[in-house]
Amino acid sequence: GAVVSQHPSWVICKSGTSVKIECRSLDFQATTMFWYRQFPKQSLMLMATSNEGSKATYEQGVEKDKFLINHASLTLSTLTVTSAHPEDSSFYICSARDLRANQPQHFGDGTRLSIL
Amino acid sequence: DAKTTQPTSMDCAEGRAANLPCNHSTISGNEYVYWYRQIHSQGPQYIIHGLKNNETNEMASLIITEDRKSSTLILPHATLRDTAVYYCIVRQNTGNQFYFGTGTSLTVIP
Repeated sequence: GAVVSQHPSWVICKSGTSVKIECRSLDFQATTMFWYRQFPKQSLMLMATSNEGSKATYEQGVEKDKFLINHASLTLSTLTVTSAHPEDSSFYICSARDLRANQPQHFGDGTRLSIL
Repeated sequence: DAKTTQPTSMDCAEGRAANLPCNHSTISGNEYVYWYRQIHSQGPQYIIHGLKNNETNEMASLIITEDRKSSTLILPHATLRDTAVYYCIVRQNTGNQFYFGTGTSLTVIP
């Protein structure tokens, strides 16, 4: 079945560092990908919609300069957490929409980000 | 914003059917009902989706009421590996974003 791959699966870094997370659709093309954040014992919260070849659309309250999104190809979107601080520590999950008929949205396995 | 209401938690005995309800009373005519589940520290896994007819696949069955205001996900023979948070989401099939509600935490008991 369709697979979405995220990398890295976990990262630990110092406060002030910028961290890049990759999201790839492995066997289908995705003009649109989505980035979510999940804090412990909470549900997934949509951060932004990543559009291939154009600017991302951010949900209300999400800082676009803090969370940089690039969707340069039909199979790759990246999320960069700039100047990360401990409050940015979270579980980041991407998903991609398979545009073939009647296909659901597929999710990556997430990236656990810990900022010290 | 999430348009669904689910019980916070449920228990089910191993080997028995798990029936997870979802209310979506404001669903519109072109919105589908999707079910995903999330096992701890993993990304959500697609289970099943439907518009108005009942659906069945190798994982589960989806029963949608005639007025489409509610649905039930059925795991016919629950196993310990089915312990997860189950999310019911409504969205147009041609739409984009999924907004997650709080889901139902299902615990399968040996």
